Amino acid sequence: GAVVSQHPSRVICKSGTSVKIECRSLDFQATTMFWYRQFPKQSLMLMATSNEGSKATYEQGVEKDKFLINHASLTLSTLTVTSAHPEDSSFYICSARVLQGNEQFFGPGTRLTVL
Amino acid sequence: GQNIDQPTEMTATEGAIVQINCTYQTSGFNGLFWYQQHAGEAPTFLSYNVLDGLEEKGRFSSFLSRSKGYSYLLLKELQMKDSASYLCASLDSNYQLIWGAGTKLIIKP
Repeated sequence: GAVVSQHPSRVICKSGTSVKIECRSLDFQATTMFWYRQFPKQSLMLMATSNEGSKATYEQGVEKDKFLINHASLTLSTLTVTSAHPEDSSFYICSARVLQGNEQFFGPGTRLTVL
Repeated sequence: GQNIDQPTEMTATEGAIVQINCTYQTSGFNGLFWYQQHAGEAPTFLSYNVLDGLEEKGRFSSFLSRSKGYSYLLLKELQMKDSASYLCASLDSNYQLIWGAGTKLIIKP
């Protein structure tokens, strides 16, 4: 099956610093990748849709200047949380959609803790 | 508006069968997904239905009725490792996944 990796799996940082999370599709090409955030005991919340070679589309209420998304190739998208604050602490999950299909395959997630 | 409804929590016994229901109302429809999510982990793909009917995949089956806006996930021969949250998601006309809040399934010995 399609494999998506995410790095790092866990990060702890100080308030005010920036954190970059990488999402890679390992054995397939993905024109579209998605970034989700999930708080404890809540459902997935779509943050943005990332299309290769173009600007990301952000969901309402998600600050694009705070959550920078770059989708430089068909196999890599990055999410940078700038000037992180404790309220940004969450589980960040990326997913990738295969070129010809509707299924989304998820990365293992990144648990971010901002002190 | 767009809405996905599924029960918050269900309990079943090891070895038994459980059916998790999902109703959806989305702008357009391009299929219905079921994902499994263990605590602290990312979701894993279980099934995708775009046509009416039942699709069987081992111990798991998924059913769709487009006219009723209804789907269910059927789990047979339950095992303790099936304890997880099961997420229903509808693919809308923009090919965006609209997620339900998930059903936490508790398996008891």
